[in-house]
Amino acid sequence: DGGITQSPKYLFRKEGQNVTLSCEQNLNHDAMYWYRQDPGQGLRLIYYSQIVNDFQKGDIAEGYSVSREKKESFPLTVTSAQKNPTAFYLCASRGKRSYEQYFGPGTRLTVT
Amino acid sequence: GENVEQHPSTLSVQEGDSAVIKCTYSDSASNYFPWYKQELGKGPQLIIDIRSNVGEKKDQRIAVTLNKTAKHFSLHITETQPEDSAVYFCAASISIKAAGNKLTFGGGTRVLVKP
Repeated sequence: DGGITQSPKYLFRKEGQNVTLSCEQNLNHDAMYWYRQDPGQGLRLIYYSQIVNDFQKGDIAEGYSVSREKKESFPLTVTSAQKNPTAFYLCASRGKRSYEQYFGPGTRLTVT
Repeated sequence: GENVEQHPSTLSVQEGDSAVIKCTYSDSASNYFPWYKQELGKGPQLIIDIRSNVGEKKDQRIAVTLNKTAKHFSLHITETQPEDSAVYFCAASISIKAAGNKLTFGGGTRVLVKP
């Protein structure tokens, strides 16, 4: 069963704690992306990676960090420096010779 | 950078009627325009896309049109059904590796199909 998995579906953290969101894909896609979605709004790009061991900042990278040690995995860490971390986080991937980005089911993070 | 505006923000239609959502983009270098459907609490699903070398594309009840000169593109859903109720997003991308194939999204349109 091919696709993109994100875990957990819901995540709760206290303010001041770092938290890592998981994104795994078995589609053999080279590129992976992290987006943030706030209620009633569109998606905004946080980070993206086109190849293993390389990644670039998106439009709203401040307070976030990523790693890309394996082709299948692109974890996102929400640090305590992110001022408004409560949001719905979406991971996507894209094949090397493809335009289409395919999204995972998302992780809803709540920080109190 | 690219800016994508999407209208309307909400759209209510009677079952069987058509729905039209419009988007404008700012960067004339954008060459790929996907549309996504998002159901509550789920990730967006690609429903149709169009590249800049094509003016129109159709897939059953869904069609997308692109006007490169005016820098706008539209989603048309005909014979709407209750299961079409969702939030729809347009996006634009400069689809070359150097640009990272990054998508810039519109703000979304909440579509409600009334039976």
